[in-house]
Amino acid sequence: ETGVTQTPRHLVMGMTNKKSLKCEQHLGHNAMYWYKQSAKKPLELMFVYSLEERVENNSVPSRFSPECPNSSHLFLHLHTLQPEDSALYLCASSQDLVADTQYFGPGTRLTVL
Amino acid sequence: AQSVAQPEDQVNVAEGNPLTVKCTYSVSGNPYLFWYVQYPNRGLQFLLKYITGDNLVKGSYGFEAEFNKSQTSFHLKKPSALVSDSALYFCAVRDIVWGGATNKLIFGTGTLLAVQP
Repeated sequence: ETGVTQTPRHLVMGMTNKKSLKCEQHLGHNAMYWYKQSAKKPLELMFVYSLEERVENNSVPSRFSPECPNSSHLFLHLHTLQPEDSALYLCASSQDLVADTQYFGPGTRLTVL
Repeated sequence: AQSVAQPEDQVNVAEGNPLTVKCTYSVSGNPYLFWYVQYPNRGLQFLLKYITGDNLVKGSYGFEAEFNKSQTSFHLKKPSALVSDSALYFCAVRDIVWGGATNKLIFGTGTLLAVQP
């Protein structure tokens, strides 16, 4: 799983904290994605970036703020989260927006107290 | 809208026995279907996909999936299960949005496969 890496792997934060999740892909891909994985629910696509430009925002609350400084890095900035935001946050990349296969990182397990 | 359904939350099978993990889909147009696997504390890994051609698709780790258009199903199979196959399996369908500019994967809720020694 060295293709897509995510840090930290685990994060515990209070509702008033500000933290950031980091994703890095070493595959030379041009598209990157953030997903939220909650128990017993389908993966929820949050954001899609292509060549550092955001192309989709799936009605995600503004307390989640993505940033893509270059095609290899993707961040998810978190502030004033709610306990229901606790989940596994997965980053993925693909060759481009029309590529069929996405490659996932190991995820960050987020707990909001 | 495109969707997939995985009717079983969990599938239990004894090691050495054949396994099947079920998936049904609902799409407009030709379906592009995928299976991903998630091992504990790991991200999702691509297993196989169906785009066109042979209805039986072979993938990684000895898995295969059968596309059945009349039953709108894409069940994942393996002839002989291993304990190491125990994981969470996700079926997904491609949803084309923005006039084809973006491929979006719609995932099912996942099926936990437990292989007993």
